[in-house]
Amino acid sequence: QQQVKQSPQSLIVQKGGISIINCAYENTAFDYFPWYQQFPGKGPALLIAIRPDVSEKKEGRFTISFNKSAKQFSLHIMDSQPGDSATYFCAATPTQGGSEKLVFGKGTKLTVNP
Amino acid sequence: DTEVTQTPKHLVMGMTNKKSLKCEQHMGHRAMYWYKQKAKKPPELMFVYSYEKLSINESVPSRFSPECPNSSLLNLHLHALQPEDSALYLCASSNRDTGRHTFGSGTRLTVV
Repeated sequence: QQQVKQSPQSLIVQKGGISIINCAYENTAFDYFPWYQQFPGKGPALLIAIRPDVSEKKEGRFTISFNKSAKQFSLHIMDSQPGDSATYFCAATPTQGGSEKLVFGKGTKLTVNP
Repeated sequence: DTEVTQTPKHLVMGMTNKKSLKCEQHMGHRAMYWYKQKAKKPPELMFVYSYEKLSINESVPSRFSPECPNSSLLNLHLHALQPEDSALYLCASSNRDTGRHTFGSGTRLTVV
């Protein structure tokens, strides 16, 4: 019940294209779903996050789509740029009930070709 | 610039050495974390401190010893490490009300 499943493991997109990364969870206690971007040798940086009371959140070129009934959420990167090449992790955590754990997906390595 | 500061950025240590990793945050977060990250893997939780008390220890070997001197500081004391402990060690803090976790840039540890 603690797992977050992420796909694909790697993704290659042309500059200007749309990158889509998918995640699925099982634990219905999860109520905060962040996406992290990580460059080599750096710590993960929060990119965008969503709560289950909304179905979509957009920040610039980054959009999270959330399907509560299917227990799935996805990250869409519009107009992908070479500078977006990084590893992306989805995650989930319950903010109620005392657990402070972030449960991570296994990550997606995105390569955007110029 | 990250709001969670980790020092040192790089550390090479022998298997008989004792060293410490340091982490500092000034966001008023009352939960702080140590993670270990191996190449091409997600961060793996090691310890959680909540209100300066150890609340989660993910069965980490005793050669790793955490310490939380105050609400802004978190240390990880290292002793008699093994080469397989070489990894990126990440500190994070979180706002328990929002769930938002902020990570530091990490310490790249190499055990020789």
